[in-house]
Amino acid sequence: GNSVTQMEGPVTLSEEAFLTINCTYTATGYPSLFWYVQYPGEGLQLLLKATKADDKGSNKGFEATYRKETTSFHLEKGSVQVSDSAVYFCALVTDKLIFGTGTRLQVFP
Amino acid sequence: DTGVSQDPRHKITKRGQNVTFRCDPISEHNRLYWYRQTLGQGPEFLTYFQNEAQLEKSRLLSDRFSAERPKGSFSTLEIQRTEQGDSAMYLCASSLLQENTEAFFGQGTRLTVV
Repeated sequence: GNSVTQMEGPVTLSEEAFLTINCTYTATGYPSLFWYVQYPGEGLQLLLKATKADDKGSNKGFEATYRKETTSFHLEKGSVQVSDSAVYFCALVTDKLIFGTGTRLQVFP
Repeated sequence: DTGVSQDPRHKITKRGQNVTFRCDPISEHNRLYWYRQTLGQGPEFLTYFQNEAQLEKSRLLSDRFSAERPKGSFSTLEIQRTEQGDSAMYLCASSLLQENTEAFFGQGTRLTVV
């Protein structure tokens, strides 16, 4: 069946550091890939998406590229801020969304 | 449109009681999903509807759980004879009909079974 694996957290960084959160997937067919973010006390929000191989999704300085050859969709940001502290979920969809377990990011000043 | 709405936001119940949650999706969205999320885990798929038809139920969904979407608009999720293991955040999401499209989530209903 379809599944998503992402790196365990927490990831702890200083402000302005470079961020990478790894995500790999297993799927039949051609899924779309997403990163969702959950800020403390809030619901899940879509951060970015990519619908086909080699697409790059981007939003709020975050980027992820759909790599079919490595079945990956790693999340990156060049310079994190304290306000980026949240839990990040990688997900894929064919008929329904399948999520990874989430990675908590903590950014300190 | 204000997005996906869930009610109540919090529910505390005694073990053995029945509870019902409501979800109002984004109005033009045909698909509606229910997920469950426990601490430190990602959302787990429970079931989804396309209009009023329930298309899939997870094996996680025991006989005590039932979901309906009678007119293809709002949905309810009922848990009968609640157990402490049912304590979790129950999330509702909706999306357009197209395959591979993103879903939009409500704020969730936090259930605590004591």
